[in-house]
Amino acid sequence: DAGITQSPRYKITETGRQVTLMCHQTWSHSYMFWYRQDLGHGLRLIYYSAAADITDKGEVPDGYVVSRSKTENFPLTLESATRSQTSVYFCASSESGRGQAGSYEQYFGPGTRLTVT
Amino acid sequence: GQNIDQPTEMTATEGAIVQINCTYQTSGFNGLFWYQQHAGEAPTFLSYNVLDGLEEKGRFSSFLSRSKGYSYLLLKELQMKDSASYLCAPGGSLSDSNYQLIWGAGTKLIIKP
Repeated sequence: DAGITQSPRYKITETGRQVTLMCHQTWSHSYMFWYRQDLGHGLRLIYYSAAADITDKGEVPDGYVVSRSKTENFPLTLESATRSQTSVYFCASSESGRGQAGSYEQYFGPGTRLTVT
Repeated sequence: GQNIDQPTEMTATEGAIVQINCTYQTSGFNGLFWYQQHAGEAPTFLSYNVLDGLEEKGRFSSFLSRSKGYSYLLLKELQMKDSASYLCAPGGSLSDSNYQLIWGAGTKLIIKP
């Protein structure tokens, strides 16, 4: 199906474990983003990617790793999960990153609810 | 700074009009987005302003004043399904080739019959 998907939708993991959240989009959008959303906070950018093999840190990158070997996929890995990483994670994509009208609104995946015990 | 202020919660009556304000202190932005987010769901795009003034889109309108760092979202003929959080997001340049949105915490809108 066309669009942007995330997996898993729900994940419970233990402190110290590595976990990878998957994101896949079928629009061939250049830009992809990972956000976390916590109560009382706006969406906070973790990492973003302007194209395959190009990634950069956002506001809250510590404890996370990303890769983008293919345009359509942008996995997020928590190398050693901590309780503070319990959150809802959203992946998003946009066609353009240059602020061009009508081409850079971000489209969001359904989210992954991650609980670290 | 990148402070974005929105009311935390608002209540309105079905069929009425409500205005959700957003003020910000971010510089170098290229436009401002409004997104809607229903509980437990992903944000979805509502509107985009790149120039000062009012943009109308059906029951929803959005206004922007860049010199004042101020925007509002106006929702008319409120329906129960409009109960959601509304996120204000000015956009700014990270560099010549990259761009990010700066997100407010959102305004939870409760519609009562």
